[in-house]
Amino acid sequence: DQQVKQNSPSLSVQEGRISILNCDYTNSMFDYFLWYKKYPAEGPTFLISISSIKDKNEDGRFTVFLNKSAKHLSLHIVPSQPGDSAVYFCAASVGNFNKFYFGSGTKLNVKP
Amino acid sequence: KAGVTQTPRYLIKTRGQQVTLSCSPISGHRSVSWYQQTPGQGLQFLFEYFSETQRNKGNFPGRFSGRQFSNSRSEMNVSTLELGDSALYLCASSRTGDLAPNEQFFGPGTRLTVL
Repeated sequence: DQQVKQNSPSLSVQEGRISILNCDYTNSMFDYFLWYKKYPAEGPTFLISISSIKDKNEDGRFTVFLNKSAKHLSLHIVPSQPGDSAVYFCAASVGNFNKFYFGSGTKLNVKP
Repeated sequence: KAGVTQTPRYLIKTRGQQVTLSCSPISGHRSVSWYQQTPGQGLQFLFEYFSETQRNKGNFPGRFSGRQFSNSRSEMNVSTLELGDSALYLCASSRTGDLAPNEQFFGPGTRLTVL
């Protein structure tokens, strides 16, 4: 049973525009969320995280929004750059920072 | 500082065989987690080792096992391989345990193909 879902397998965005990647979860007990970026032939790399006590966390061009009532998480990248083209995974945990449930990933393509 | 290394990078096995994958964490990291990545399924948590003890476990059958050595290096073993075990196996290390948020650093993975 997939507790974390990324319903868009792919997303294409023009360079300089905003990229919005979405993630939904079913377990209301999740209290810590992360986004990872993965390039081909490399392992995922940590991008940004958010605790359930917050509804927004920002780091440079990357902002994560958390809507607990909707059980929805989104990652905004502004402005998008060609180097952002990668697969993005969201992940969640329940009071345990080393056991994560991952979504299936969204492949972002930023066109020059 | 060297990153997480995994060996081998690619492996081809046949059904019924067993396989052992290795992961060397970043120096000083004591927690090692293993994930299976298959198309459309994302990363699925297998287990986590901390100080040579399995501390967390995912929902995988007993054919999947692991261990951690005193130097924090970890191995994962899959016995009686099935076609569905074909996947990218990723290991991730982190500095401490699960008491506080800490970043997990992933290795490049081992691509296992079962024929």
